[in-house]
Amino acid sequence: EDQVTQSPEALRLQEGESSSLNCSYTVSGLRGLFWYRQDPGKGPEFLFTLYSAGEEKEKERLKATLTKKESFLHITAPKPEDSATYLCAVRATDSWGKFQFGAGTQVVVTP
Amino acid sequence: NAGVTQTPKFQVLKTGQSMTLQCAQDMNHNSMYWYRQDPGMGLRLIYYSASEGTTDKGEVPNGYNVSRLNKREFSLRLESAAPSQTSVYFCASRDSGMADTQYFGPGTRLTVL
Repeated sequence: EDQVTQSPEALRLQEGESSSLNCSYTVSGLRGLFWYRQDPGKGPEFLFTLYSAGEEKEKERLKATLTKKESFLHITAPKPEDSATYLCAVRATDSWGKFQFGAGTQVVVTP
Repeated sequence: NAGVTQTPKFQVLKTGQSMTLQCAQDMNHNSMYWYRQDPGMGLRLIYYSASEGTTDKGEVPNGYNVSRLNKREFSLRLESAAPSQTSVYFCASRDSGMADTQYFGPGTRLTVL
């Protein structure tokens, strides 16, 4: 059974204090790993797709990396507007189009 | 483009009442999804539709039915609502191209008393 575990559950950062979020996964074969950002009261918003170990993607202060067992979302010099819940999801090669989501990491960045 | 739209945004039901949550997308995507989101549990798949005319159960289908009315619309019905169905419901559609990305609607916050 596909499993996705995100840690920590919550993270409180000072503005400018870099940190990383972890997404550990277990799938029979990985088709893709996805990162989303979710603001309170809104739907998840797509950030990145990673397909193979060693792949990296960047967007502004966010950088996602992938290994065979986990993915990291690095937040460099965060700003208060980076406060959100970050969700990780995987799609297995035999998933018939279905995705398995982690519970998310809630990030709060204070000025 | 409006993307994925959902109605209603909020709903309060009494136990045993029925209702239908509506979802529509204007991105010409084949695949559509219904998820529920509960505190500490992330998004859990209720039903999935790979294309018009097809539907498949997800992780938590009990108590729900779906209809893929056409390529644009995918509705979720609660026949007899229970307090355990209090949740936030999200509809999504998927770009089946290279990005394989899901696009989510704004959600429906449902409370069952």
